[in-house]
Amino acid sequence: DAKTTQPTSMDCAEGRAANLPCNHSTISGNEYVYWYRQIHSQGPQYIIHGLKNNETNEMASLIITEDRKSSTLILPHATLRDTAVYYCIVGGGRDYKLSFGAGTTVTVRA
Amino acid sequence: ETGVTQTPRHLVMGMTNKKSLKCEQHLGHNAMYWYKQSAKKPLELMFVYNFKEQTENNSVPSRFSPECPNSSHLFLHLHTLQPEDSALYLCASSQVWSETGKKLFFGSGTQLSVL
Repeated sequence: DAKTTQPTSMDCAEGRAANLPCNHSTISGNEYVYWYRQIHSQGPQYIIHGLKNNETNEMASLIITEDRKSSTLILPHATLRDTAVYYCIVGGGRDYKLSFGAGTTVTVRA
Repeated sequence: ETGVTQTPRHLVMGMTNKKSLKCEQHLGHNAMYWYKQSAKKPLELMFVYNFKEQTENNSVPSRFSPECPNSSHLFLHLHTLQPEDSALYLCASSQVWSETGKKLFFGSGTQLSVL
């Protein structure tokens, strides 16, 4: 029972912004949207998360639609090191399990 | 460096061997997790420990035996594994609960090959 839907793959050019979409139409009111990424054969790395407001940190920006049914992760200036699988996950604050789907394979090209 | 250390990084074992995976976190977290990632498959949650108590066993075969002696250490004891158990085993930690959302911090994983 997938809670999120992401494109299987996408390419982007080095130095350009990468916009990664995610649909989570069944998200409930207390569930956060989390983004992680996994570089080949390493552990997933936390990127950012949000509840309903847009968020920004040193790695990325997260834009959540007003109805919270979808979001976009923005990598402002993609580098070759951003090539990874990106996971969009929804989950609540207490006693929840983070379920990782297949994610989006992002390839940054020079 | 995520603050979660897993050893060994790589492990090759026979089906009759007994081995253990170790995970240590230096983040002051009180929840720890084991995940399994088979080739080209999503991460599968195996076990969850909150405050050293197991709160989740996701129908994992008994040949995998977790141990959590304290909130900073987590082990996965392996015995009589099958070749299909070959995978990347990932440890993670977090706070049990947070009002601002719960973030998982992962180790680099142990790449296990069962011959």
